[in-house]
Amino acid sequence: NAGVTQTPKFQVLKTGQSMTLQCAQDMNHNSMYWYRQDPGMGLRLIYYSASEGTTDKGEVPNGYNVSRLNKREFSLRLESAAPSQTSVYFCASSPTRNTYEQYFGPGTRLTVT
Amino acid sequence: GEDVEQSLFLSVREGDSSVINCTYTDSSSTYLYWYKQEPGAGLQLLTYIFSNMDMKQDQRLTVLLNKKDKHLSLRIADTQTGDSAIYFCAESEGYGGSQGNLIFGKGTKLSVKP
Repeated sequence: NAGVTQTPKFQVLKTGQSMTLQCAQDMNHNSMYWYRQDPGMGLRLIYYSASEGTTDKGEVPNGYNVSRLNKREFSLRLESAAPSQTSVYFCASSPTRNTYEQYFGPGTRLTVT
Repeated sequence: GEDVEQSLFLSVREGDSSVINCTYTDSSSTYLYWYKQEPGAGLQLLTYIFSNMDMKQDQRLTVLLNKKDKHLSLRIADTQTGDSAIYFCAESEGYGGSQGNLIFGKGTKLSVKP
């Protein structure tokens, strides 16, 4: 039982390049989330998927798109990376939207130059 | 909008108690949480408290909630070097379509000196 896995662990992009961050969970959870963490900041929600087939914007969605590919997988896409998107990205999942615990992946450290 | 505030740093000696404080703004929050982040890792739920409780104890951890002042604290007894980490306070957003979203504080970095 791997929990929440994320790939890649590290990535360096040039401004304007695109990439997709992958996230998968094997806990049969309905809800999945993408957060970003910046130095000295808490986590901020980018997008979430309450259940398979639905996605909704969080606090900071601009510059990102998401896809809930199936119940297990939730990807985050940067279409045209900007230096302001340099951050650590965390994927999380929970059994439902109203479950008190979210389970986090190990994070992807992204640098945009 | 909702906001969660906590001090950024705390340094204690091994064996002492640590107290990490947090204030929040959303009085309709159902749950309040403490998450722990070790270096290079994701967040892990440490403990949580229902908003109708005043206190919750779990081994070395004690959570105190003052709903009137919207103040939450986490006390770690007999702090060990393995407790060194960043501790995040979080609340659930209020009712309605966004129920379930977590609002995090900036995190308190706990350093434990031997």
